[in-house]
Amino acid sequence: GQQVMQIPQYQHVQEGEDFTTYCNSSTTLSNIQWYKQRPGGHPVFLIQLVKSGEVKKQKRLTFQFGEAKKNSSLHITATQTTDVGTYFCAVIQGAQKLVFGQGTRLTINP
Amino acid sequence: NAGVMQNPRHLVRRRGQEARLRCSPMKGHSHVYWYRQLPEEGLKFMVYLQKENIIDESGMPKERFSAEFPKEGPSILRIQQVVRGDSAAYFCASSRPNGEQFFGPGTRLTVL
Repeated sequence: GQQVMQIPQYQHVQEGEDFTTYCNSSTTLSNIQWYKQRPGGHPVFLIQLVKSGEVKKQKRLTFQFGEAKKNSSLHITATQTTDVGTYFCAVIQGAQKLVFGQGTRLTINP
Repeated sequence: NAGVMQNPRHLVRRRGQEARLRCSPMKGHSHVYWYRQLPEEGLKFMVYLQKENIIDESGMPKERFSAEFPKEGPSILRIQQVVRGDSAAYFCASSRPNGEQFFGPGTRLTVL
């Protein structure tokens, strides 16, 4: 099945700095989803991308799906302490099975 | 509008005991999924169920683990004869057919 590699594993930034996490696959992806998990919490769906080259924005968050549909990124502009958490990419395989990347844990210095 | 409910939220078991984790899907959702998250890792798919049917159990360990979603009542993930390596957070998600999966708060299982 499809595997997704996510980098970096950890990222520590000063509040106000930007943050980016990347998700890569060796095979073409039909879709990609992004989730956020706060410390001690559960994954919360952020967005789904399905089209080649797609770019979607949610306030300070920008999501991109590569032209070849083999990579995706999540960029946060001017991080705030509320952005702390682990960000996961995930792909749907088969009958609705979600395959998650390893996640990027974001910590922020206020 | 209750979300996905899981109980217990925390469960402590000694090695060799049984663990039963419950999941009540969101209202109107007939599909349930179980995922396991080891510390510092991503979520790993275990099983996908619809009412009274297991659709995909490709992520379930071959022994000691079982899951059900009966016609009435919550979905149950059962772990027999727990070992320390079973300590993890177990998340349930639910969805409508082909819909977005909504996750519950998880059950944190600790095996002593």
